[in-house]
Amino acid sequence: AQKITQTQPGMFVQEKEAVTLDCTYDTSDPSYGLFWYKQPSSGEMIFLIYQGSYDQQNATEGRYSLNFQKARKSANLVISASQLGDSAMYFCAMTLNQAGTALIFGKGTTLSVSS
Amino acid sequence: NAGVTQTPKFRVLKTGQSMTLLCAQDMNHEYMYWYRQDPGMGLRLIHYSVGEGTTAKGEVPDGYNVSRLKKQNFLLGLESAAPSQTSVYFCASSYSRGKNIQYFGAGTRLSVL
Repeated sequence: AQKITQTQPGMFVQEKEAVTLDCTYDTSDPSYGLFWYKQPSSGEMIFLIYQGSYDQQNATEGRYSLNFQKARKSANLVISASQLGDSAMYFCAMTLNQAGTALIFGKGTTLSVSS
Repeated sequence: NAGVTQTPKFRVLKTGQSMTLLCAQDMNHEYMYWYRQDPGMGLRLIHYSVGEGTTAKGEVPDGYNVSRLKKQNFLLGLESAAPSQTSVYFCASSYSRGKNIQYFGAGTRLSVL
């Protein structure tokens, strides 16, 4: 079975600083995908970034990058130059690369960005 | 760019009442999913569908039924609502190939009294 662990219930950062949100995962399957989603106070789930298990390079999407360390089974999200609008809940998730498989979510980390 | 649309956005039910949540996607995705989100937790899968006319159980299927009569629609039914079904419900969809990136609707907040 797959499992996602997010150990930081809350993180605080000042504007323009970088922040790392931790995520570790567990699976015995060699083919999987790792995701980060953002959930602002309005409630919607917004896809941020994807990393495939066979990808050699860390994924980047604008200010978001995913620090993928396969041997350690970690997939940390790095947000550079934080903005007030980054304040939200962040979920790490994974899925196997098989048809129709569900996302397995962690419990989330609340990020608060202050000015 | 509608993406994934869920209706209704909010609903209050009394114990024992029934209701149907509708999910519609306009991205021609083959796969669709229903999740629930409870306080302090990530999302958990209720049911999913890999194509029109097919459905399967997820992690927490009890008390729910689903139907996918059309490719673009995925319905979630509660036949006899219970307070334990108070939750936020999310629908998602994805392509059948590639990265399996799931795109979510805005959610339905359901309270069962």
